[in-house]
Amino acid sequence: KAGVTQTPRYLIKTRGQQVTLSCSPISGHRSVSWYQQTPGQGLQFLFEYFSETQRNKGNFPGRFSGRQFSNSRSEMNVSTLELGDSALYLCASSLGGVERVYNEQFFGPGTRLTVL
Amino acid sequence: QQPVQSPQAVILREGEDAVINCSSSKALYSVHWYRQKHGEAPVFLMILLKGGEQMRHEKISASFNEKKQQSSLYLTASQLSYSGTYFCGTEVGSNSGYALNFGKGTSLLVTP
Repeated sequence: KAGVTQTPRYLIKTRGQQVTLSCSPISGHRSVSWYQQTPGQGLQFLFEYFSETQRNKGNFPGRFSGRQFSNSRSEMNVSTLELGDSALYLCASSLGGVERVYNEQFFGPGTRLTVL
Repeated sequence: QQPVQSPQAVILREGEDAVINCSSSKALYSVHWYRQKHGEAPVFLMILLKGGEQMRHEKISASFNEKKQQSSLYLTASQLSYSGTYFCGTEVGSNSGYALNFGKGTSLLVTP
């Protein structure tokens, strides 16, 4: 079974630009979560999607947005980039479900975003 | 709300034991543990549920103290392969086990 894939793996942007990151979950997984990882803050939750609906959202400004498609693939968009947005962006997929069933999250390799 | 992990970093000799703690200010239903090796994605270790049993993953075990809203990860007879950063995660919402707030991580280095 193929793992979680993220594209692109590396990005360099300048302040004020916008960026779109893509995540393809493991086949059959319906929940996709996005995280920002920085040396100082560790892993910070951005948002989670299930069946094309945003189910949970972290404490990030509105410049960070996402969406999920019918095939469970997800995209994350950051507009008006700031220097502080430089980070590794990880997505994770899990089986998900409407009931409270706990499944492990499988992380992708991440997209390294550098904002100059 | 990010859970708080301690210590921030640990250096062990092979064969020594270590404990990593994870505390939350809010009531917990579950605690999730992940390990990330340098340059790699985090990998799942175990989930502890409220009222559940102590879990094990190889020689790594964990407990969940509901009264203290705290979980502890016990690494016994550490091996070189245990080196990495350990993250604990707690649920973001009140009804979801899929979105997690992670602590800042505990860096563990096991030396020969």
